[in-house]
Amino acid sequence: IAGITQAPTSQILAAGRRMTLRCTQDMRHNAMYWYRQDLGLGLRLIHYSNTAGTTGKGEVPDGYSVSRANTDDFPLTLASAVPSQTSVYFCASRVGENGELFFGEGSRLTVL
Amino acid sequence: GENVEQHPSTLSVQEGDSAVIKCTYSDSASNYFPWYKQELGKGPQLIIDIRSNVGEKKDQRIAVTLNKTAKHFSLHITETQPEDSAVYFCAASTTGSSNTGKLIFGQGTTLQVKP
Repeated sequence: IAGITQAPTSQILAAGRRMTLRCTQDMRHNAMYWYRQDLGLGLRLIHYSNTAGTTGKGEVPDGYSVSRANTDDFPLTLASAVPSQTSVYFCASRVGENGELFFGEGSRLTVL
Repeated sequence: GENVEQHPSTLSVQEGDSAVIKCTYSDSASNYFPWYKQELGKGPQLIIDIRSNVGEKKDQRIAVTLNKTAKHFSLHITETQPEDSAVYFCAASTTGSSNTGKLIFGQGTTLQVKP
């Protein structure tokens, strides 16, 4: 059972570079989410998608973009990385509006 | 938008004691309140949730209480064990609005259970 697969698991990136974090789920969930986790700040929602073809902004969307071309994939792109985007990023999905949220294992990103 | 505050940020208890973590939320329209447990190097996992039509829910050693009037909810762990040591997150979300499905998390509580 794969669930949610994130890639890469870890990456060091120079400031100003473009980076895409990949997320794929095999549960056919409608809704998908991207969170970042920072010490003392918990999990903050970056962007979300309630269904394929639609996306929405979360609490901290600036500097990030997402797309949802199909049900399974929900990539997160940093157009020009900055050091404040150093964080652990979690992709998540769930069946409907208030179902259980399933998380991936996370992608640790360091921007120098 | 919704804001969730969680306390304490760290909690240390002796094995066998109880642990209580508290959260408050700001949006009175929130109607779903899950709790997640995150072990080191892993993604968070759901341990229990409660919806706004009930005031308490229990599952073995864990229970959650909800006070909608005061807009706060709590996680109670009884007879704590070393394997309960982890980071715990509360969260809140609403349905039926432009904010549908957005799960907003608290800041997290690091629970240490000492043998």
